[in-house]
Amino acid sequence: QVQLQESGPGLVKPSETLSLTCTVSGASMSTYYWCWIRQPPGKGLEWIGYVDYSGRTNQNPSLKSRVTISTDTSKKQFSLKVNSVTAADTAVYYCARGDFVRFLFDYWGQGTLVTVSS
Amino acid sequence: QSALTQPPSASGSPGQSVTISCTGTSSDVGGYNYVSWYQQHPGKAPKVMIYEVSKRPSGVPDRFSGSKSGNTASLTVSGLQAEDEADYYCNSYAGSNNFVFGTGTKVTVL
Repeated sequence: QVQLQESGPGLVKPSETLSLTCTVSGASMSTYYWCWIRQPPGKGLEWIGYVDYSGRTNQNPSLKSRVTISTDTSKKQFSLKVNSVTAADTAVYYCARGDFVRFLFDYWGQGTLVTVSS
Repeated sequence: QSALTQPPSASGSPGQSVTISCTGTSSDVGGYNYVSWYQQHPGKAPKVMIYEVSKRPSGVPDRFSGSKSGNTASLTVSGLQAEDEADYYCNSYAGSNNFVFGTGTKVTVL
């Protein structure tokens, strides 16, 4: 079955770059869109952006200037970088598969908590 | 883009129904029939319950139903069960390959 797994540092210092990787198993990376979504502690979900199998990306306009999403299909991985982080970037970060025919996010990773603190 | 507006909480007794609203604008909810709903239990990843306003993915009980009128979408859970107690989030396509989530609603089964 389709599985996604986030990995990366759980603690990042303010003004530095947050970097996460999502490893995909049980599915081809073609056809679908590979997404990042985050959830600050005790708060709601926020869509960050996606990358497709060819490397085309789109990001939430509110984060666009700080976010980079990329893919390495040979490793079946996609990645997220958020630069110049502040405490407001502290959140559980989820990777998810986007089905943009049905316009839904059908498979999710378990999520990883990233804390921004000195 | 601003988050879609949901009531913070909703509740009902077992067997009853609860309806959650999700209000956006003509640029998201009102402009597309691409509203989905997600259920999230504490400490777990969200799970899609409804997509394209009213369609259910395979395996989702038919107690869950969705609808839309104008800029407001709704999720109804009929025949409430204890396991339905969770947070629920709506999501809408917002054009130009952008998406926006709702503020979330905590459903309590009394």
